[in-house]
Amino acid sequence: ETGVTQTPRHLVMGMTNKKSLKCEQHLGHNAMYWYKQSAKKPLELMFVYSLEERVENNSVPSRFSPECPNSSHLFLHLHTLQPEDSALYLCASSQGRAETQYFGPGTRLLVL
Amino acid sequence: AQSVAQPEDQVNVAEGNPLTVKCTYSVSGNPYLFWYVQYPNRGLQFLLKYITGDNLVKGSYGFEAEFNKSQTSFHLKKPSALVSDSALYFCAVRDPRRTDKLIFGTGTRLQVFP
Repeated sequence: ETGVTQTPRHLVMGMTNKKSLKCEQHLGHNAMYWYKQSAKKPLELMFVYSLEERVENNSVPSRFSPECPNSSHLFLHLHTLQPEDSALYLCASSQGRAETQYFGPGTRLLVL
Repeated sequence: AQSVAQPEDQVNVAEGNPLTVKCTYSVSGNPYLFWYVQYPNRGLQFLLKYITGDNLVKGSYGFEAEFNKSQTSFHLKKPSALVSDSALYFCAVRDPRRTDKLIFGTGTRLQVFP
């Protein structure tokens, strides 16, 4: 359970705010992921980083900006979000992009 | 298109009874299948996976899953349910075109009654 940590666990922000979500993995993995979990919808893969290289995901709006400074840390920078962006944002990591993904507890985001 | 279906939004079972959570998939080529569980206010926890080999896969917390290629199913099972098994269960399949992408079902809520 503590292999992948995420902060903050809860976040409320206005549409004009800028905030960042943080993820840290303690598993020695080399791939990290951001997912969005909305009610009644399947998990949506947002971004993938492998060996600190980003794999593009063109379906994600530019108001979401990922950053991976090293293989243990992953950030999701948020700016000018919309209320429909309210969701649980999950981080995951794996040892190689084809291996089992392990998830963090998530950040519950509410955009007002 | 690659997809996963979990036909039941909720499954109710009495404690001590066997449980089954259903999953069917549609994917080109050999499927790589996963089950995850999500407890309230928590992330997804890996339960088990099928890559190849024995059709019956054993996982964490006494869960197992049966891979059936002819029926394109990967149902999650447990011989005797516990109240603590109550949670949201997700089936997923790896996208054969992108090995880092998991395609998830919409989830099945399991409620185990004492």
